[in-house]
Amino acid sequence: KNQVEQSPQSLIILEGKNCTLQCNYTVSPFSNLRWYKQDTGRGPVSLTIMTFSENTKSNGRYTATLDADTKQSSLHITASQLSDSASYICVVGNFGNEKLTFGTGTRLTIIP
Amino acid sequence: DTEVTQTPKHLVMGMTNKKSLKCEQHMGHRAMYWYKQKAKKPPELMFVYSYEKLSINESVPSRFSPECPNSSLLNLHLHALQPEDSALYLCASSQDATPGLVNEQYFGPGTRLTVT
Repeated sequence: KNQVEQSPQSLIILEGKNCTLQCNYTVSPFSNLRWYKQDTGRGPVSLTIMTFSENTKSNGRYTATLDADTKQSSLHITASQLSDSASYICVVGNFGNEKLTFGTGTRLTIIP
Repeated sequence: DTEVTQTPKHLVMGMTNKKSLKCEQHMGHRAMYWYKQKAKKPPELMFVYSYEKLSINESVPSRFSPECPNSSLLNLHLHALQPEDSALYLCASSQDATPGLVNEQYFGPGTRLTVT
């Protein structure tokens, strides 16, 4: 069964600090891995998309890594801001169909 | 314009009502999706339309009826819903839904549905 697991479930850090969120997946055959940011009650917004041949991708203060051999990904947030408070969802795409497998997300809270 | 719009933002309906959710995009995308999201859970795929044809129905109860009048519009018709159907309903679109391609999905802000 395709699964995406994220850790930690929740995280609280001080403004200005860095943090790293983890994602492990068992989706097969693998096509791509995405990180989304979702504010409460809003739709997810794409941060990065990586295929199996990419092992790192950045979007501003967000840097995602992918290890397709160990089936792990991480999202590193640098110099956190209050606006980074949100849920971060790891999503993996299957090769061969349009379906995505969503992780349960990490709830990140930035405190001043 | 990279925006997916959804109306209404909030909807409260009784179990005997009939209502519709609307979704619109003007990015020229040919694939559109409906997701249901319960609180603190990830989105669950309901339907996928590809080139205005229904390509995926994830065994959704018939009280949810999707419609794609044209490539820019996606509706979700609701009838005889149950309180457990209360959730955030998200619409998304992508350039297309060709299997094997990486199709970035753009999500709308969602409609918060409450069934009383």
